[in-house]
Amino acid sequence: DGGITQSPKYLFRKEGQNVTLSCEQNLNHDAMYWYRQDPGQGLRLIYYSQIVNDFQKGDIAEGYSVSREKKESFPLTVTSAQKNPTAFYLCASSIRREAFFGQGTRLTVV
Amino acid sequence: AQTVTQSQPEMSVQEAETVTLSCTYDTSESDYYLFWYKQPPSRQMILVIRQEAYKQQNATENRFSVNFQKAAKSFSLKISDSQLGDAAMYFCAYRNNNNDMRFGAGTRLTVKP
Repeated sequence: DGGITQSPKYLFRKEGQNVTLSCEQNLNHDAMYWYRQDPGQGLRLIYYSQIVNDFQKGDIAEGYSVSREKKESFPLTVTSAQKNPTAFYLCASSIRREAFFGQGTRLTVV
Repeated sequence: AQTVTQSQPEMSVQEAETVTLSCTYDTSESDYYLFWYKQPPSRQMILVIRQEAYKQQNATENRFSVNFQKAAKSFSLKISDSQLGDAAMYFCAYRNNNNDMRFGAGTRLTVKP
């Protein structure tokens, strides 16, 4: 089945550790995205990528890093510089007419 | 960067009635896409309806329709004959031709039986 897969669904990390969230798609989409969702703030754009080896910062890129070495994969690293990393993270890929979303990763930093 | 504003954090509608959710956006571009997505408690994002900016005709999908006012940069969603299953968070989204895609803060819709 075609789709977009985020893993893991729940992730726990200790404060000060870097953590990488996985996002894979087999839809052959060029564009991919990472969003952060906090209560009452909707989806805020962290990074997006239009093609392989290219990506642009969104509104809240500080403390995050991404790579796009393959069309199918767009991993997000939450670094120790991110002051408040506990949140729900959504990955998406898109064609012009629609964006498709993964099921999300709930990251909790303790 | 483009901004998307949803001014109604919460809305409530009686089952079988009609409700309208508001969305405005800010852009200097002429060609773009607008979307409404639904997020139920499962948190899976579901596309409700899309509108291409170059099309003057308002999009409709069964009980869902939009009022697209390009000059006013307004994109409201009308849900007719509301059903209990319509209860969810609704997000308005804007995407330009550079694949920059932004969302509003969302409106939580409650449907009363």
